[in-house]
Amino acid sequence: DGGITQSPKYLFRKEGQNVTLSCEQNLNHDAMYWYRQDPGQGLRLIYYSQIVNDFQKGDIAEGYSVSREKKESFPLTVTSAQKNPTAFYLCASSIQDRQPQHFGDGTRLSIL
Amino acid sequence: EDQVTQSPEALRLQEGESSSLNCSYTVSGLRGLFWYRQDPGKGPEFLFTLYSAGEEKEKERLKATLTKKESFLHITAPKPEDSATYLCAVLKPRDDKIIFGKGTRLHILP
Repeated sequence: DGGITQSPKYLFRKEGQNVTLSCEQNLNHDAMYWYRQDPGQGLRLIYYSQIVNDFQKGDIAEGYSVSREKKESFPLTVTSAQKNPTAFYLCASSIQDRQPQHFGDGTRLSIL
Repeated sequence: EDQVTQSPEALRLQEGESSSLNCSYTVSGLRGLFWYRQDPGKGPEFLFTLYSAGEEKEKERLKATLTKKESFLHITAPKPEDSATYLCAVLKPRDDKIIFGKGTRLHILP
């Protein structure tokens, strides 16, 4: 079955630590996205990539970094510069040109 | 400013009691509107895409409609398993970014 796999499901970060969230898709989609979801708020775009080796900042990119070395993979690093990292992180992918995004089941990040 | 507003924030219905969820948007030059269902602790599940005013899509007990300013998700004779948060999202005209509403939490009582 084609889909998007996010890992781990739960992640804990210590103060001053960088952590990396994994996102892999086998849908052969060109575009991939990272969102952050907080209670009572809509999904907010962190970074997106429309093609391998290229990515753009979204609305809340500060304190985050990404890479897109392979079409299937779009890992997100939450750096120590992100002062409020506790949230539910969602990865999505889509074929280009007005098509809907399809989501993984998320990673919940908490601070120790 | 481009905005997507969903109402109500939360809705409790008895099983079999039909109702509608609203998604209003201020994005000009709409390129597409999406409805998603999200269960607790899960990612959003795609339901419908609507591209132009007057368009309608149906799936089981759900029917989505679109006008120039808003979209409705009609739920007919809902069952407890329809309980979830329903998200509306609009594709911005000048790029492929999507603006999400905050969602409507729907609870169907047996």
